[in-house]
Amino acid sequence: DAKTTQPTSMDCAEGRAANLPCNHSTISGNEYVYWYRQIHSQGPQYIIHGLKNNETNEMASLIITEDRKSSTLILPHATLRDTAVYYCIVDRGSTLGRLYFGRGTQLTVWP
Amino acid sequence: EAGVVQSPRYKIIEKKQPVAFWCNPISGHNTLYWYRQNLGQGPELLIRYENEEAVDDSQLPKDRFSAERLKGVDSTLKIQPAELGDSAVYLCASSLGGLAGGRLQETQYFGPGTRLLVL
Repeated sequence: DAKTTQPTSMDCAEGRAANLPCNHSTISGNEYVYWYRQIHSQGPQYIIHGLKNNETNEMASLIITEDRKSSTLILPHATLRDTAVYYCIVDRGSTLGRLYFGRGTQLTVWP
Repeated sequence: EAGVVQSPRYKIIEKKQPVAFWCNPISGHNTLYWYRQNLGQGPELLIRYENEEAVDDSQLPKDRFSAERLKGVDSTLKIQPAELGDSAVYLCASSLGGLAGGRLQETQYFGPGTRLLVL
C-alpha cells in the first residue's frame, strides 16, 4: 500500500476553513484515499473517501489532484470540536483490509 | 444505532498478569478488527476477522496474545502474560465486509478503546 505524508500540526481559527494536505505520490490506480480523525480519548472516526473525483459529505470535502499524487481535506467552517488528529490513508480495498495509519496531522481550532 | 462497544475502558495490571478485552461490533458487521495504538502513534492492526475466521493475524504477537470471535459476533483479545511494553490503547473496529460495486467495503467504525497500563 502507498504511504502518505502529512504535516505534523496545523492551526485554524474557529469559523474559518481548515485545509489539511496529504501527499501520496506513490498511489496506484486502484487505491482510494481515506480520511479518518481521532478526537482525544476516542477511537478514530471515518470522515470521507474518494478515488479520482472530488467528494463532499456532511462532514467535509475531499479534493484530489488530477495526477492523484496529493489531496486536501477541507472542513468548511471549523469548530472547536474539530480539534483532533487527522489521518490520511490510501487503501486498495482488497481483502487485506489493513489501514495504515501514520502519525497524522494534529489540527487545533482556536476560538 | 449502537456503535462498537468495548470493555473495560481502562485497565491497570502488574506485569506478568493476564488481561482480556471484549468487543461487541455493530450489528450486521461481518468484519472485526483489533488494533493497538501506542502513545503518539496511529493505530496498528493486530488481527482481522471475517465472521469467525481470523484472515489476517500476521501482526499479532502469538507468544502472548490470543483472540477469538465465537459465533462471528463478539470478540475477546487476551494477553498472557502482560509486559510493560504492552501498555497502549486497544481498539476494536468493525465493517460491513462483503463487496459493493466490486470493491470490499472497508469503511471501519471504531470503538472507544481500552486503555491498558502495565506496571
